[in-house]
Amino acid sequence: EADIYQTPRYLVIGTGKKITLECSQTMGHDKMYWYQQDPGMELHLIHYSYGVNSTEKGDLSSESTVSRIRTEHFPLTLESARPSHTSQYLCASSQTGTSSYNEQFFGPGTRLTVL
Amino acid sequence: AQRVTQPEKLLSVFKGAPVELKCNYSYSGSPELFWYVQYSRQRLQLLLRHISRESIKGFTADLNKGETSFHLKKPFAQEEDSAMYYCALSSLTGNQFYFGTGTSLTVIP
Repeated sequence: EADIYQTPRYLVIGTGKKITLECSQTMGHDKMYWYQQDPGMELHLIHYSYGVNSTEKGDLSSESTVSRIRTEHFPLTLESARPSHTSQYLCASSQTGTSSYNEQFFGPGTRLTVL
Repeated sequence: AQRVTQPEKLLSVFKGAPVELKCNYSYSGSPELFWYVQYSRQRLQLLLRHISRESIKGFTADLNKGETSFHLKKPFAQEEDSAMYYCALSSLTGNQFYFGTGTSLTVIP
């Protein structure tokens, strides 16, 4: 079944640890996105990708990095987690040039807590 | 600069009453406007988009370029409409995407 998967769903980790948030989609979409959302606040785009080996930073500055080696996979990495990174991270995807042009499909999210 | 403004964080209406969730935007050029909804314990999902000009679950939204607004309306609210609603704006190319802060709608039985 076509879907977007994010793992882990919840992560509690200590300061200074390296973490990778996984996002995979079986939608066959070319574009993928990462958003950060603090409680009661808007979603902020932090990274996006238009295809393999294409990544761009979004509107909100982030210390995280992303990679897009495979179309279906778009992991986000924090080299050294800090309490300020505590947030919910949402992954999304969309397909260029269809009737659903620009519609984004979202994963379930990863709630990260850095102690 | 704030791109999408949703002035109401919380909105409560009685079942059967009309509901309007406000959204104003600021963007140079021709944006595409969306409403996304997140029901309790579910994912964020698209509700409707201005290009489609359709009614979904009884909701409609009209893009008013003069007032730069994209308010979401429903004539008779239902309990199942209780959810978090986000207004969003995209450039036509899709490489810029901005969400509002969201409005939590509660429909009182």
